[in-house]
Amino acid sequence: AQSVTQLGSHVSVSEGALVLLRCNYSSSVPPYLFWYVQYPNQGLQLLLKYTSAATLVKGINGFEAEFKKSETSFHLTKPSAHMSDAAEYFCAVSVRSGNTGKLIFGQGTTLQVKP
Amino acid sequence: EADIYQTPRYLVIGTGKKITLECSQTMGHDKMYWYQQDPGMELHLIHYSYGVNSTEKGDLSSESTVSRIRTEHFPLTLESARPSHTSQYLCASRWGESTEAFFGQGTRLTVV
Repeated sequence: AQSVTQLGSHVSVSEGALVLLRCNYSSSVPPYLFWYVQYPNQGLQLLLKYTSAATLVKGINGFEAEFKKSETSFHLTKPSAHMSDAAEYFCAVSVRSGNTGKLIFGQGTTLQVKP
Repeated sequence: EADIYQTPRYLVIGTGKKITLECSQTMGHDKMYWYQQDPGMELHLIHYSYGVNSTEKGDLSSESTVSRIRTEHFPLTLESARPSHTSQYLCASRWGESTEAFFGQGTRLTVV
């Protein structure tokens, strides 16, 4: 069965430090992959997506992610954290199976940015 | 700007009542989804649809039911609400399998 796992439910970094949020997937066929951000009391917003083109994907707000098939990973990074990056981040997998479009999310990672 | 709407935004209802949460989108998307999310927690897929009259249960067992009679409309119904159903319900839609999903603002349900 397809699944997605986010390692680390809480990540805390200092302002200006590197942000690394981990996401691993389980699928027999490389899926389509997404990262979303959710600010408190707001809806989900797309950060970036991987759809079989370039393995290094750039998104909004300075975030990027690299698809590594050998590691079944799609980790999210940002070189320098900003206070406004504090939010909940979700990795999602779109299962490529018969065009049913099943879309499942990881457990989420709360990013805390300290001054 | 994504055009996907959920009503009501907030609902407080008594145990045993039947409720329907509405979700509509005007983008002509073929895929629609219902997720359950407790505050600050993960999104659990409870139902999804890949076209008119085509619905599937998600990974989280749910006592709710859905229907997809029209492309733009994907209501979720609870026949008998219980306090354990208290949560936020998020609706989403997209086209195909490789595109991003757009989310509604959510319905926050409280069953007393």
